[in-house]
Amino acid sequence: GDSVTQMEGPVTLSEEAFLTINCTYTATGYPSLFWYVQYPGEGLQLLLKATKADDKGSNKGFEATYRKETTSFHLEKGSVQVSDSAVYFCALRRKGGSEKLVFGKGTKLTVNP
Amino acid sequence: DAGVTQSPTHLIKTRGQQVTLRCSPISGHKSVSWYQQVLGQGPQFIFQYYEKEERGRGNFPDRFSARQFPNYSSELNVNALLLGDSALYLCASSSDPTNEKLFFGSGTQLSVL
Repeated sequence: GDSVTQMEGPVTLSEEAFLTINCTYTATGYPSLFWYVQYPGEGLQLLLKATKADDKGSNKGFEATYRKETTSFHLEKGSVQVSDSAVYFCALRRKGGSEKLVFGKGTKLTVNP
Repeated sequence: DAGVTQSPTHLIKTRGQQVTLRCSPISGHKSVSWYQQVLGQGPQFIFQYYEKEERGRGNFPDRFSARQFPNYSSELNVNALLLGDSALYLCASSSDPTNEKLFFGSGTQLSVL
């Protein structure tokens, strides 16, 4: 079945450091790929998405590129801020049919001043 | 406009009891999905409803059921609660099942003692 694997956390960085959170997936066909963010005490918010190979999703300084050849969708940010501290989830969804999302386990990011 | 609202925010039950969780989607959204998020894990798909019809069901036992009302709000019911049902239950809405942008509520934290 479909699955998403994320790098294990937690990840602790200093402010202005470079962030990479690895994500790989297994799915039939070419799913849409997403990064969601969950701030403490809140629900999930869509951070960015990509719907086909070589698409780059970007938002709030975060970027991720849909790599079909490596079945990956790694999240990057050039300079993290304390306010980026949250749990990040990689997810996929098959095109067509139900809107079921398949999530990874999440990666907790803590950014220290 | 209000976002996705869920009630109650927290709930404590004992094993064997039954629970009902409620969700109001964003105004104009007709599709509602439910996810279970166990501590330290990514959300897992439980149900999707659109126009009051079940459109998808995840790998959960028959103790889990749901319905959608004419105003598109939804209820998730869990019977014969087990300790393992303790989790954050998230509701998400979208305009229709083909729309990839889901909006999540803040969830109901269920503790089963």
